[in-house]
Amino acid sequence: RKEVEQDPGPFNVPEGATVAFNCTYSNSASQSFFWYRQDCRKEPKLLMSVYSSGNEDGRFTAQLNRASQYISLLIRDSKLSDSATYLCVVNRVEYGNKLVFGAGTILRVKS
Amino acid sequence: DTAVSQTPKYLVTQMGNDKSIKCEQNLGHDTMYWYKQDSKKFLKIMFSYNNKELIINETVPNRFSPKSPDKAHLNLHINSLELGDSAVYFCASSRPDAGGATQYFGPGTRLLVL
Repeated sequence: RKEVEQDPGPFNVPEGATVAFNCTYSNSASQSFFWYRQDCRKEPKLLMSVYSSGNEDGRFTAQLNRASQYISLLIRDSKLSDSATYLCVVNRVEYGNKLVFGAGTILRVKS
Repeated sequence: DTAVSQTPKYLVTQMGNDKSIKCEQNLGHDTMYWYKQDSKKFLKIMFSYNNKELIINETVPNRFSPKSPDKAHLNLHINSLELGDSAVYFCASSRPDAGGATQYFGPGTRLLVL
């Protein structure tokens, strides 16, 4: 079983839709959590950190449930430019900040 | 003013050759990493260095050898290249912050072994 599991998608949604991605992680020692975004043939870039209290950045909301070892990302009012692969990431700080990536969820926003 | 740069961007070579990929960061970060992204797009860490000291060394064939001449540079040398080494190799750097480490990735080096 992979340490970080995501639904690979693709999620095909119309502009303006709300879409949610889920992620589970297997190691309860994981200490911090992130969503990264990767555009086609580009490098991954940090989208946002994920906190237990939940956090929002514009149209993006991230949630963490440590008891269930579950992370989510909600995107409201989807734009064409949101089309990308969204990577769920956990940080194993005890290994010197070792980021463990999920395989990614593909989002395609269509007009 | 590129933050994390890698050279070359593309590398096409024959099986059995030895090649190097270079990485430089101008962010003043202490920690640098090498990742491999295979054809299934799965991104996996290979190595990390903190201030020239090896911190993470995942299960990687010893044909792969990282070298950090200073904290702004982390190069990757690959001996006796194999077909399965074809992938995109990303360098990254980080600073510690409250939530762990925010990592900044280079543009990637696309390696194709024929």
